[in-house]
Amino acid sequence: QQPVQSPQAVILREGEDAVINCSSSKALYSVHWYRQKHGEAPVFLMILLKGGEQKGHDKISASFNEKKQQSSLYLTASQLSYSGTYFCGTEIDVGNFGNEKLTFGTGTRLTIIP
Amino acid sequence: DAGVTQSPTHLIKTRGQHVTLRCSPISGHKSVSWYQQVLGQGPQFIFQYYEKEERGRGNFPDRFSARQFPNYSSELNVNALLLGDSALYLCASSWEANQPQHFGDGTRLSIL
Repeated sequence: QQPVQSPQAVILREGEDAVINCSSSKALYSVHWYRQKHGEAPVFLMILLKGGEQKGHDKISASFNEKKQQSSLYLTASQLSYSGTYFCGTEIDVGNFGNEKLTFGTGTRLTIIP
Repeated sequence: DAGVTQSPTHLIKTRGQHVTLRCSPISGHKSVSWYQQVLGQGPQFIFQYYEKEERGRGNFPDRFSARQFPNYSSELNVNALLLGDSALYLCASSWEANQPQHFGDGTRLSIL
C-alpha cells in the first residue's frame, strides 16, 4: 500500500528540470508533497485533492491523475536549495472522503550541483 | 508564531524500558499526528488525534499509545522498548484533519 516513487535518486545541474513521480495501487483522495533536508524535519510543499486543480507556486508545481492514481512533482530551473529528499504522502479515498492516514513513499533523493 | 515543538530532541533507552515523547502543535492547530521514520525511509504513520479523539492508527503494536490533551498538545508512549524502535519520531500538526501537516524536528530515540 506504500506509494512507489520514481526515480529513487537523481542528480541535476543547477538550472535543469526534474520530475518526480508517485504511484499508488489504491484510489486516492489526496496527495501531499514534502521535502526533507538531511537532519531536518519534512517541509510541506503542496497538497492535491481529488477533483482539484493542478497546484504550483514559483518553479515547483504538481499534478494529480486520479484515473491512474499518480501524482508528479515538477521542479523547473532547479536551484541549489532544492536539494533534499522528496516524499509523497497519499491518503486513500473511502467513498469521496479521505481515510485521514498519510502513507509516505520511500522518497526521491535530489542532488543539485553547481 | 512558534512551529511544532517536540521534546526531548534525543533520548537513549535500553530494551524493556518505556518512553514518553511530547509534542506541542502550532497555535490553533487541533490535529496532531505521530510518525516513525527509520533512516533512509519515509515517515510511517502511527496515530492521528483530532479534538482529543483518536482518528487513525497505523500498523503498530499495542506497545504504542498516544493521547491528546485539552490544549491540543500530545504524548506518544512506547512500552517494552525493542531495538527496532530506534528511529526518529516526528510529530505533525494541522488546522484540521486533511489539511497540510507541519512537522516538528523530531525526537531521535536510540535503544541500546
